[in-house]
Amino acid sequence: DAGITQSPRHKVTETGTPVTLRCHQTENHRYMYWYRQDPGHGLRLIHYSYGVKDTDKGEVSDGYSVSRSKTEDFLLTLESATSSQTSVYFCAISVPPPSQGRGAIRTLHFGNGTRLTVT
Amino acid sequence: DQQVKQNSPSLSVQEGRISILNCDYTNSMFDYFLWYKKYPAEGPTFLISISSIKDKNEDGRFTVFLNKSAKHLSLHIVPSQPGDSAVYFCAASYRPISSGSARQLTFGSGTQLTVLP
Repeated sequence: DAGITQSPRHKVTETGTPVTLRCHQTENHRYMYWYRQDPGHGLRLIHYSYGVKDTDKGEVSDGYSVSRSKTEDFLLTLESATSSQTSVYFCAISVPPPSQGRGAIRTLHFGNGTRLTVT
Repeated sequence: DQQVKQNSPSLSVQEGRISILNCDYTNSMFDYFLWYKKYPAEGPTFLISISSIKDKNEDGRFTVFLNKSAKHLSLHIVPSQPGDSAVYFCAASYRPISSGSARQLTFGSGTQLTVLP
């Protein structure tokens, strides 16, 4: 599983409540990402981090904030959850290519996701 | 406006035959293209990639073809196996303008491949 753990795996919450999703890595990678996956949209980047306390917005960052106080942890917070944020959320780390034969750029390694339902 | 498009939401193929998954892109700055496979309740896993300086990359049963002039790439799986049944995502990347920035991936919407025994 290359050392990525997402928690919780499932979460049901009510509209207007705050929610924090956690991503933990054990391999000391610099770059970490949060994506959401929705039918018809594939995976869309929410926020990413390029180091401790260094973060930037992605394509769909509205309504989300992130924090990275330690290399190993990247937190995604929904300050006030809305039904449109019902989705599956994936954390990812940037890792070196597995072998030259399969490609020569760093790729993303994903966690197993958090399914969030906002009622 | 989607920069990476997978126009076929689903594909069914008989075991042993070839599976061909297609992907189109619009941004001419993309210089690397990747395919990911995703099983239910798991995260996507990297499958194969290709640089824009190549037109073909092969790894075992998986081959990716790139047609830059048409802004089109395809993933061929030969022979297809039931274990290949999954959602396949096409992704594209370009070198960031800032040298200290990381590449980002833009994903297509995915194609559900079903390999029938």
